[in-house]
Amino acid sequence: DIVMTQSPRSLPVTPGEPASISCRSSQSLLYTDGNTYLDWYLQKPGQSPQLLIYVGSNRASGVPDRFSGSASGTDFTLKISRVEAEDVGIYYCMQALQTPRTFGQGTKLEIK
Amino acid sequence: QVQLQASGPGLVKPSQTLSLTCSVSGVSISSGGDFWSWIRQPAGKGVEWIGRIHGSGSTTYNPSLESRVTISLDTSKNQFSLSLSSVTAADTAVYYCVRELHSNTYYVSSDWGQGTLVTVSS
Repeated sequence: DIVMTQSPRSLPVTPGEPASISCRSSQSLLYTDGNTYLDWYLQKPGQSPQLLIYVGSNRASGVPDRFSGSASGTDFTLKISRVEAEDVGIYYCMQALQTPRTFGQGTKLEIK
Repeated sequence: QVQLQASGPGLVKPSQTLSLTCSVSGVSISSGGDFWSWIRQPAGKGVEWIGRIHGSGSTTYNPSLESRVTISLDTSKNQFSLSLSSVTAADTAVYYCVRELHSNTYYVSSDWGQGTLVTVSS
């Protein structure tokens, strides 16, 4: 199985400030079609995970443009340009290159 | 708008079989080439992918659970189901049903049900 490792595990952020979450995979998620199969999800308190970013850098429908994703073969970053109160929750990366799908341990973003 | 709703017993005894059903609205589960998945999340722990079924009926399971898992379709009801046998306390978790949308050359877990808590206890 592909192992996904996220950092940091906890991320206190002041509203209006930027935030960055890292994720690393145990093998490259770059496929021969040129896509990097890494997705990002946000699980808000008491809710199901919701898709933020797919295939490395594509924002899902309805996701604010303050969220962006970047990807290399094994290193990935989710950036929030200006954190808002509604962004609190746990962020997960997930590899979608192969089954079984595997997730990072999660990064809990909280407001200072 | 696609909606998924998981349902089933909230309490299962050890060694018995956990059975959940996901009712899907807004899209036909047998058309479009999508996958229909089950994912679980034990309290305070990480997220685990259980397996998935294609609209054609083909299945893929997590090897860690494969000997105990069955995922099936009921196209007449637009539902898919999860069966997990010989459960233990380690199977206590919130279970999510998820749509993996087929888009171009890839699949995206775009739609998640609300999650249903299953507790394994005597």
